[in-house]
Amino acid sequence: NAGVTQTPKFRVLKTGQSMTLLCAQDMNHEYMYWYRQDPGMGLRLIHYSVGEGTTAKGEVPDGYNVSRLKKQNFLLGLESAAPSQTSVYFCASSYSATRGSGEAFFGQGTRLTVV
Amino acid sequence: SQKIEQNSEALNIQEGKTATLTCNYTNYSPAYLQWYRQDPGRGPVFLLLIRENEKEKRKERLKVTFDTTLKQSLFHITASQPADSATYLCAPGDKLIFGTGTRLQV
Repeated sequence: NAGVTQTPKFRVLKTGQSMTLLCAQDMNHEYMYWYRQDPGMGLRLIHYSVGEGTTAKGEVPDGYNVSRLKKQNFLLGLESAAPSQTSVYFCASSYSATRGSGEAFFGQGTRLTVV
Repeated sequence: SQKIEQNSEALNIQEGKTATLTCNYTNYSPAYLQWYRQDPGRGPVFLLLIRENEKEKRKERLKVTFDTTLKQSLFHITASQPADSATYLCAPGDKLIFGTGTRLQV
């Protein structure tokens, strides 16, 4: 099993450019999440989804958009990249802890630099 | 808004001793709480989930307690080993919002 796969692993963007990060999971999980992690800091939740076609804002949603058109994929978009969005981005997926184990599986991360 | 606090200072502990990490939360009442481990440059890895009707949960050398009155969870690693050195994160509730984590050095 691949688990959770993030694409790409590294990317350098110029200020103002746009890009989409893809998160794919093959575990049939309902929940999916996008985080950013800055040096020496904890994970901050950007957006999350509790099922296909649904998304919700997390702690730091500004400057990002997401879509969950298929259950296995969760896309994170940056419409106009800013240097403040330089970070490592992690995606995760899980079953609901209410009905299942709740254990979340994380991708390997995407290192994004905006210059 | 909900707030999650973990020891911001690194915890240095001698090999063989028990490490105790604290997670405090405010402004909500989660039905469960999770603990994860994160190594540098990698995504977090799930360790344990404890539910509100469980006072204590164990897995090998790990033990977690959950006090819903105090709004606190304690995470213990007994017989600490150098391989336990990592950052430990707690996440109360279903949105999977994490505390800032505590870095443990054995």
